[in-house]
Amino acid sequence: EVQLVESGGGLVQPGGSLRLSCAASGFTFRRYWMHWVRQDPEKGLVWVARTNTDGRSATYAGSVKGRFTISRDNANNTLYLQMNSLRAEDTAVYYCVRDCATSCSDAFDIWGQGTMVTVSS
Amino acid sequence: DIQMTQFPSSLSASVGDRVTITCRASQNIDSHLNWYQQRPGEAPHLLIFAASSVQTGVPSRFSGGGSGTDFALSISGLQPEDFATYFCQQSYSVPGTFGPGTKVDI
Repeated sequence: EVQLVESGGGLVQPGGSLRLSCAASGFTFRRYWMHWVRQDPEKGLVWVARTNTDGRSATYAGSVKGRFTISRDNANNTLYLQMNSLRAEDTAVYYCVRDCATSCSDAFDIWGQGTMVTVSS
Repeated sequence: DIQMTQFPSSLSASVGDRVTITCRASQNIDSHLNWYQQRPGEAPHLLIFAASSVQTGVPSRFSGGGSGTDFALSISGLQPEDFATYFCQQSYSVPGTFGPGTKVDI
């Protein structure tokens, strides 16, 4: 079964750090670009970051650039999101998603179940 | 960034109804438009990609259309499991912005 399972969310104080992980299974992880997308009731679904297949190229939303780092370990089929200098506005459910590329026009065809990040003192 | 708007923000319908949700992009995105369904407590999942292509496993009552800036998602013969929130998303350029969602309820 094709699956993405996130972990690492939790409660953190403003200015703190957190690292999210996403374990992939059921497909050839190294062949796909991967993204993080977050969702909160106020802003809705917001794309956060993406990485290419070998992890050497990354792109970020302006709101997280310089604070978040996306990375991957293709040997262990795992995607990461290192989040530093966290702010209250980073509070959201974070989803790990697979980019289907040309097979479905760069849509996000597989989503994890999400992990909640709460930034509060 | 490309802005995505959806109309309506919510609608009430009954089982068996046909409903249509519209999505507009702030600039031309050709056919790079995707639709997702999200049920309460679940992650979104892909319904339609490239404006009108139905994702594998999605029932044929779901259809999509449009190009350029204006798009639509239709559900013919609404089923109980279709009561959910629907989001459009453009994959024309980074960031792949999402619409605010349309909630379909009874």
